[in-house]
Amino acid sequence: RKEVEQDPGPFNVPEGATVAFNCTYSNSASQSFFWYRQDCRKEPKLLMSVYSSGNEDGRFTAQLNRASQYISLLIRDSKLSDSATYLCVVSRGSNYKLTFGKGTLLTVNP
Amino acid sequence: GAVVSQHPSWVICKSGTSVKIECRSLDFQATTMFWYRQFPKQSLMLMATSNEGSKATYEQGVEKDKFLINHASLTLSTLTVTSAHPEDSSFYICSASSSRGSGELFFGEGSRLTVL
Repeated sequence: RKEVEQDPGPFNVPEGATVAFNCTYSNSASQSFFWYRQDCRKEPKLLMSVYSSGNEDGRFTAQLNRASQYISLLIRDSKLSDSATYLCVVSRGSNYKLTFGKGTLLTVNP
Repeated sequence: GAVVSQHPSWVICKSGTSVKIECRSLDFQATTMFWYRQFPKQSLMLMATSNEGSKATYEQGVEKDKFLINHASLTLSTLTVTSAHPEDSSFYICSASSSRGSGELFFGEGSRLTVL
């Protein structure tokens, strides 16, 4: 079983749609959780950290369920500029070693 | 904000040559840097952890004699792909954490290597 698994995608949605990404992780010792965004042929960029209580940043909402070892990202009112690959990322601790999921490609269409 | 810079952005080389990729933290000191590799449509895979002033720690399956890592200063780590072959063609990305332990990891822009 892969350490971090994501929806395989790709997702194609119209502008304004709500889209949800799911992710599961296998290592119960994981401590930190993130969503990164990666544009084609670019480096990944931190979108948001994910906290146990759930957190929201504008149109983006992230949730974590430690019992189920499940992470989600919800994008509301999607924009064309949201088109990218979304990476679920997990870290075991403070040494910053990150384990990346394969990513889910999102294309938002006009 | 903090910036991590990689050079070169892309490189094309002949099989058998060695290629050096530099990763610099521009406005902070990085005691630890990480090197990742990403093949097309695949996830980023951690290759090694580079520690300033000491030997790098390699992930399982990564040949340390083929991927030489040097972290001689708090702002520079280099990855040298020795005797590169076409299967080494990939997107190499470094990341760095601040020595102040701010909790954020910064990524370089990546270096795309094509070995002919």
